[in-house]
Amino acid sequence: KAGVTQTPRYLIKTRGQQVTLSCSPISGHRSVSWYQQTPGQGLQFLFEYFSETQRNKGNFPGRFSGRQFSNSRSEMNVSTLELGDSALYLCASSLAGGATNEKLFFGSGTQLSVL
Amino acid sequence: AQKITQTQPGMFVQEKEAVTLDCTYDTSDPSYGLFWYKQPSSGEMIFLIYQGSYDQQNATEGRYSLNFQKARKSANLVISASQLGDSAMYFCAMRERTGGGADGLTFGKGTHLIIQP
Repeated sequence: KAGVTQTPRYLIKTRGQQVTLSCSPISGHRSVSWYQQTPGQGLQFLFEYFSETQRNKGNFPGRFSGRQFSNSRSEMNVSTLELGDSALYLCASSLAGGATNEKLFFGSGTQLSVL
Repeated sequence: AQKITQTQPGMFVQEKEAVTLDCTYDTSDPSYGLFWYKQPSSGEMIFLIYQGSYDQQNATEGRYSLNFQKARKSANLVISASQLGDSAMYFCAMRERTGGGADGLTFGKGTHLIIQP
C-alpha cells in the first residue's frame, strides 16, 4: 500500500506570493490533516478535512486555507507569503480521523522556503 | 501552559543500551490518546506507539514500550536494545476529544536521540 504522498518536496517562493501544496492520502483514508513544523514553534496543527469538509482548525491566520476533493486528496494554500511561513509542511492521513485513538500516518513533507 | 513537555532536548546513548524518553502531558479531558512518533532526517513522521487514557496495560510494539503513569500524567517511551538506526528526533503527542470528534495532535518539542557505536 502506498504511503502518504506530498508534492512538491521543496519549494522556494518570495514574500507576497502564494503557494499550493498537495497531499494524497493512503488509499481508503478519508481524513487528511496538515501540520506546520518550524525550529521555533515546533509542530503545530493547521487543519483537518474529512469528506471534503473542514472539521477542525488550528490557530493560524486566514492566509492559510485548504480543501479536500472527493477522492480524499487535499491541497493547502498559503497566500501573501511571509518570511515566517518558511517551514516543513506535513500532511497526515487516517481512516476517519474522528477518534482520539486513531493513528495518523504522515508524508515526508514539503519544505517551503520564503525569501 | 504547555500541554506536552519533553524535558530532554538531546540524548546520547550507547548502542544496545535501553533508553527512556520522557514525556509529561496536561489535560482535563478524561478521554485522550498519547502517541510517540519518530522523525529521521528525511522528515517523515513515523508512528511508533499509542496509549489510550483508559488502557489498563502499558502499550508495547516490538522494541518500543510506553511507561504510562496516569496519575503523574506521564507517558515515557522506552526503547530496548537501541540500534544505530534509532538515531532521530522523537516526538510525544496527545489527541484530545472535542465536540466534533477529536482534535489535532498536540506535539512536544521533541528529543534528539543519537545512538553511538
